[in-house]
Amino acid sequence: EVQLLESGGDLVQPGGSLRLSCAASGFTFSDFAMYWVRQAPGKGLEWVASISRNADTTYYADSVKGRFTISRDNPKYTLYLQINSVGAGDTAVYYCAKAGESLKLLRAFVDWGQGTLVTVSS
Amino acid sequence: DIQMTQSPSSLSASVGDRVTITCRASQSIGSHLNWYQQKPGQAPRLLIYDTSNLQSGVPSRFSGSGSGTDFTLTIGNLQLEDFASYFCQQSHGAPMYTFGQGTKLEIK
Repeated sequence: EVQLLESGGDLVQPGGSLRLSCAASGFTFSDFAMYWVRQAPGKGLEWVASISRNADTTYYADSVKGRFTISRDNPKYTLYLQINSVGAGDTAVYYCAKAGESLKLLRAFVDWGQGTLVTVSS
Repeated sequence: DIQMTQSPSSLSASVGDRVTITCRASQSIGSHLNWYQQKPGQAPRLLIYDTSNLQSGVPSRFSGSGSGTDFTLTIGNLQLEDFASYFCQQSHGAPMYTFGQGTKLEIK
């Protein structure tokens, strides 16, 4: 059974930094690209970042580019999101997600973690 | 960037009703459109991928259609457990994605 378990969410002051983690199990981690998606309180879903299987390519939403860094440690089965220079707009539940295995499911987020809450406030 | 416009933003319906949610892309995305359901306090759940393919375990009362820029999610014979929020997602720009703003389906 696929499991994704996020951690690291916390209260952080504006301008501060935080590192989120996502511990994966139940599948061969290095076989899949991974993703971060966030959801501000009462709002919709926003794709944040993607990372390829071997971490050689990364992609970011314009809203976080230059401030967030996605990375992974394949031997440790862990995905990370380094969040820097946070502002109120970064307050959200952050989910990690994994695509499916078939050709068509490679473009869909099949498995999700339970999310970790980041609150930006002074 | 591909923008997704989802409508309506909210919808009231009764058990047994048939409802339709639409999603429009700012440019053609072929069939690269997914639908998710989210209940309060839970992570999203994939319902339909690549426009019309039902994810494993999803009831057959859910269906999707469309192509190019216009897509629909239809829920037939609404059940109590279907009252939730629904989001479309374009994957044509993968590995960069965009979600629609969401539709909250409420009990009338």
